[in-house]
This record gives sequence, structure tokens and C-alpha cells, in this order.
Amino acid sequence: EADIYQTPRYLVIGTGKKITLECSQTMGHDKMYWYQQDPGMELHLIHYSYGVNSTEKGDLSSESTVSRIRTEHFPLTLESARPSHTSQYLCASSDPLQAVDGYTFGSGTRLTVV
Amino acid sequence: SQQGEEDPQALSIQEGENATMNCSYKTSINNLQWYRQNSGRGLVHLILIRSNEREKHSGRLRVTLDTSKKSSSLLITASRAADTASYFCATDATEDMRFGAGTRLTVKP
Repeated sequence: EADIYQTPRYLVIGTGKKITLECSQTMGHDKMYWYQQDPGMELHLIHYSYGVNSTEKGDLSSESTVSRIRTEHFPLTLESARPSHTSQYLCASSDPLQAVDGYTFGSGTRLTVV
Repeated sequence: SQQGEEDPQALSIQEGENATMNCSYKTSINNLQWYRQNSGRGLVHLILIRSNEREKHSGRLRVTLDTSKKSSSLLITASRAADTASYFCATDATEDMRFGAGTRLTVKP
């Protein structure tokens, strides 16, 4: 069973809209991540966090923001959606003290901007 | 930026055959991990090999690591149709993990 949850699972939204993708984990992991992945392609790191009140930019961060007010919650916000944002967004978490367990991923949010 | 690169991009085999996927990376690493992704879903962690290890086994999975060549391989033995998925290597070098584009494995029944 996945211990990291992403909502919504699918989202179709118009250009210019502000959207927030939700991610929550119940494992108490300090580190959390957002990745963007086009079908059949590599994952691109958007943002990550070391813990509460920590946020760091990844490779594709310029058009989105994140917050980490609580350990379990790491939402991603697109201030103004564009068709180029159409993609799958994957949230993940990890325990730095348990590296052998790797990252735990959510099932993803598939976003379509029309 | 991308760190690991998988090869081949796609692989199609018959059930019962072995599948070998390779991964090359560019910089020094702490560990290398392999993940599996079923179509349209998140990634699932399969196995981690540390930089001071050369080989590791987990069930039908065998992973090797050659740090001198900056490469790793994932072997799935006695493949099953349910192994059909994309397989990604990921390198853990600094503060975050970088994934390649994956190998798309199709196992025909």
C-alpha cells in the first residue's frame, strides 16, 4: 500500500488558471520531492525539501512554488498554467537515515492544460 | 540534469528469458538505485547498491556496479509477463537523486 498520496489523480484545466497539486505522506519522512515526467521520458526534479520550512529549487522550478509547513504535506502550485505544463507530476519522499529503502513515490497527478 | 542513462531504450523478450538493462552515469556516487514504473503510475524502489559494493541480489533481480566504468546493470531472471514495465536507474550523489529516461521492458507471454 502506498503511504504517499497525491490528489487529484487527473486534472484538466484552462490556460492561465492557478492550480495546486497535493501530496501527503504518512511515513514521517523528512525529505520530499516533486518530479515532472513526460510519457516515456526521464524524470526532472522540480523542487525538494529537507524538512519543515525548507524548500529547494530543482531543474524546472521557475514556474512553480512549493511550501512545507507540515512534515507530511508538500503541495506544488502553478501560478498560471500553460499548455507546456501538460505532464505527469510525481511526488516522492525519503528518510535520509534509511537510504536502503530508496524513495517512495505517489501514483502521480496527470495534468492537462488546454 | 540527467545523471543516469539506461540502455537499451526498449527491450522485448519472451517469458522465461532473462532481461539485462544497463545504466551509465557521469559523476561519483554514494549509491545507485533501480526503480520500476508501470504505465502511468509512480515509481517503485527495487534495489539499492552502495558505491563500495560490486553485486547485489534480491529475488530474481541481480544488480552489478562498476564504479571504474561508472556503470551498472540490472538482470531480471526467468522473466514474467508481469515484469513488463519501465526500469529506471537513479544515482544518489549529493542532495537529491537523478533519474535516467528508463528502459521499456516488454515480456511476451
